[in-house]
Amino acid sequence: GAVVSQHPSRVICKSGTSVKIECRSLDFQATTMFWYRQFPKQSLMLMATSNEGSKATYEQGVEKDKFLINHASLTLSTLTVTSAHPEDSSFYICSAPNRDRAYNEQFFGPGTRLTVL
Amino acid sequence: AQSVTQLGSHVSVSEGALVLLRCNYSSSVPPYLFWYVQYPNQGLQLLLKYTSAATLVKGINGFEAEFKKSETSFHLTKPSAHMSDAAEYFCAVSAYSGGGADGLTFGKGTHLIIQP
Repeated sequence: GAVVSQHPSRVICKSGTSVKIECRSLDFQATTMFWYRQFPKQSLMLMATSNEGSKATYEQGVEKDKFLINHASLTLSTLTVTSAHPEDSSFYICSAPNRDRAYNEQFFGPGTRLTVL
Repeated sequence: AQSVTQLGSHVSVSEGALVLLRCNYSSSVPPYLFWYVQYPNQGLQLLLKYTSAATLVKGINGFEAEFKKSETSFHLTKPSAHMSDAAEYFCAVSAYSGGGADGLTFGKGTHLIIQP
């Protein structure tokens, strides 16, 4: 149980376009999901917390107008990278805590590799 | 606020040798601690977690970690390395207070290399 999926797994786009990444909890409900960003050979950095039915909360330094987050249901959160530029190329990973687990155990999606040309 | 320091960006051991990956944390509240493994171009897989129940935690694939509050450490060990253990390992901390889930704070990661 506790599987998180992401779609697409890999996307290549032109500079200036927008890209949407989906994160789904497949067998549990998640009122909260998290989006992380990982540059090559670096650690994961928390970008934002996605809250079902309310606005996302962003970490310091993350542009909320550039990284739009929508948590439309208890099993789906989307991250849209607007007007993407080459510096936005990165590995984006989402996670969701299982509400049945009291210890903030996070279940991670497989990640989405974004390449902006 | 919390932080994680992983000593050694790269660790190389021989197959069959002891694996020791170091992690020190800082947290203003009692922490929950995690070790994750990441294979190339994949997401993270949980190896083990410390949730205040027992200081010695056993995880998957023969890994274990010991929580030492006095040393603010949560080092990961495995008695005998296997070639399949070669991967990136991340230590993470959460200051989950029960009021709601928090995102994790990760260390910079340690790349484990297994020599044949």
